[in-house]
Amino acid sequence: RKEVEQDPGPFNVPEGATVAFNCTYSNSASQSFFWYRQDCRKEPKLLMSVYSSGNEDGRFTAQLNRASQYISLLIRDSKLSDSATYLCAVKRNTPLVFGKGTRLSVIA
Amino acid sequence: SQTIHQWPATLVQPVGSPLSLECTVEGTSNPNLYWYRQAAGRGLQLLFYSVGIGQISSEVPQNLSASRPQDRQFILSSKKLLLSDSGFYLCAWKPGGTYEQYFGPGTRLTVT
Repeated sequence: RKEVEQDPGPFNVPEGATVAFNCTYSNSASQSFFWYRQDCRKEPKLLMSVYSSGNEDGRFTAQLNRASQYISLLIRDSKLSDSATYLCAVKRNTPLVFGKGTRLSVIA
Repeated sequence: SQTIHQWPATLVQPVGSPLSLECTVEGTSNPNLYWYRQAAGRGLQLLFYSVGIGQISSEVPQNLSASRPQDRQFILSSKKLLLSDSGFYLCAWKPGGTYEQYFGPGTRLTVT
């Protein structure tokens, strides 16, 4: 089993829709969790950290489920500008381990 | 504020040629530094990381090497490039006391 796994997508959703991605991790000792956004041919940019209690930043909500070993990202009221690849990242004792990303395409 | 620079932005090199990619961070001291590679359609692969000057940890055996000659400078090198070295090379840094990593703009390398 890979350390961090994501559904590659693509998720094609209409503007205004709500979309959610999950990311599973294999090591229960993982300590910190993040979501990054990567636009085509650009570097990944930190979107948000994922806290145990869950956290929200505008239209974006991140959740952690330690029992089932996954994190989620919920995007409400999708915008065309949300189209990108979303990478999850997990930290154990070493540098961050990244999933391969989930591609989101928001359609007008 | 902190910024991270990488150059060049794009590079086309023939097989067997040497490589040197440079990454510098401004506005911070003693950052952790990382080199990742993202091949076409693939995920981010950690190549090297460094917690201080002269300290390099290698994650994947290959024909690449890294050096950290100064606190805020991280260099990725190769003596002889292979076709399989093509990819998007990303430098990242992490401030002390946190876990988030921040990426530079990357170098897109094509080996022909």
